[in-house]
Amino acid sequence: AQSVTQPDIHITVSEGASLELRCNYSYGATPYLFWYVQSPGQGLQLLLKYFSGDTLVQGIKGFEAEFKRSQSSFNLRKPSVHWSDAAEYFCAVGASGGSYIPTFGRGTSLIVHP
Amino acid sequence: DTAVSQTPKYLVTQMGNDKSIKCEQNLGHDTMYWYKQDSKKFLKIMFSYNNKELIINETVPNRFSPKSPDKAHLNLHINSLELGDSAVYFCASSPSVGLQFFGPGTRLTVL
Repeated sequence: AQSVTQPDIHITVSEGASLELRCNYSYGATPYLFWYVQSPGQGLQLLLKYFSGDTLVQGIKGFEAEFKRSQSSFNLRKPSVHWSDAAEYFCAVGASGGSYIPTFGRGTSLIVHP
Repeated sequence: DTAVSQTPKYLVTQMGNDKSIKCEQNLGHDTMYWYKQDSKKFLKIMFSYNNKELIINETVPNRFSPKSPDKAHLNLHINSLELGDSAVYFCASSPSVGLQFFGPGTRLTVL
């Protein structure tokens, strides 16, 4: 069975600073990987996904993530954070074997200081 | 042209009552889900339907009953509401493995 770990419950950054949110997964084969963002009072929105190919994937809102098979990681990055990026971020892994059900991490809450 | 919609957005009710939450998607996806998000933001899958057929039913009390009248709708009915049912419930639909489109959520408060 697949699993996802987001080791940081909260991350605080200053506006304009760079950001990296960590995600580690456990899955026996090549996984499908996702990052979602949840703004306060909203549903989850897909930021980016990795299915295959280039291990550096670009997403919306200036986010990118890099799949590192050797480290079982899929960390999310942004070079310069904006106050509107304050939200909850969820990493998810989907089994490439056919299950439609992704497994979500527990989320990382991003706080942005002015 | 909302992709996945849920009603109501807020639901406040007394213990013991029965309530329903409705979900509709206009994306043409075959698979729909219900998730429960607790106060710590943990997302737990409850049910999954593919083409109106139940394919996943996690360990959810049988007071929760999903109904899919057609593949664009997946409603959630809850009987005999309990305090522990208070949460945000999300509907989602999916065109492919793992990729999910979420509704805005329904915040259920049981008093």
